[in-house]
Amino acid sequence: GAGVSQTPSNKVTEKGKYVELRCDPISGHTALYWYRQSLGQGPEFLIYFQGTGAADDSGLPNDRFFAVRPEGSVSTLKIQRTERGDSAVYLCASSLVGPAKNIQYFGAGTRLSVL
Amino acid sequence: ELKVEQNPLFLSMQEGKNYTIYCNYSTTSDRLYWYRQDPGKSLESLFVLLSNGAVKQEGRLMASLDTKARLSTLHITAAVHDLSATYFCAVDIYFGNEKLTFGTGTRLTIIP
Repeated sequence: GAGVSQTPSNKVTEKGKYVELRCDPISGHTALYWYRQSLGQGPEFLIYFQGTGAADDSGLPNDRFFAVRPEGSVSTLKIQRTERGDSAVYLCASSLVGPAKNIQYFGAGTRLSVL
Repeated sequence: ELKVEQNPLFLSMQEGKNYTIYCNYSTTSDRLYWYRQDPGKSLESLFVLLSNGAVKQEGRLMASLDTKARLSTLHITAAVHDLSATYFCAVDIYFGNEKLTFGTGTRLTIIP
């Protein structure tokens, strides 16, 4: 497909469990972003990858959250010891990077529910 | 810390009317984005505004940017029902790290 793909679309887990959320960006997009959107709010930045490296992880709320992008394409957001407050929609976006400004294209998101 | 504020937060308007959504931000930037989000869906890019005085129009929507006032507006002309959605503005300030800071969103409902 041509767009950003996120799996799973829904994830229900129990408090204390570990979850992984996957993002497959648009082919050729070197920049990849994770955001978190709580109900009734705008998306909040979590982490930004340029290629394989995390260029900015200042939005990760604590050390239970971690993300990787080992080959510069697919990224996985990992959450350890999930808490009820982690329930939200996790959005991934990708873009080209260059002198001209480029739009971030968003995936449909993963709705995480921690019971 | 960059803050982005939108108003109103909720807007209910009749079909055929005109209205404006406002987006204020706290730090100098010349890059502002408008996105649309339908319930349960992801964000769709509407406009990218890259300079002071930029104006872009698509159908019944027109967006403008005043970087001196740190203000962007999204104007809706002769609203129709299918414009009902939540509209977000977003700003980035770091060239080379274009993380977006979003406003709180404006939930727009068009009443027949």
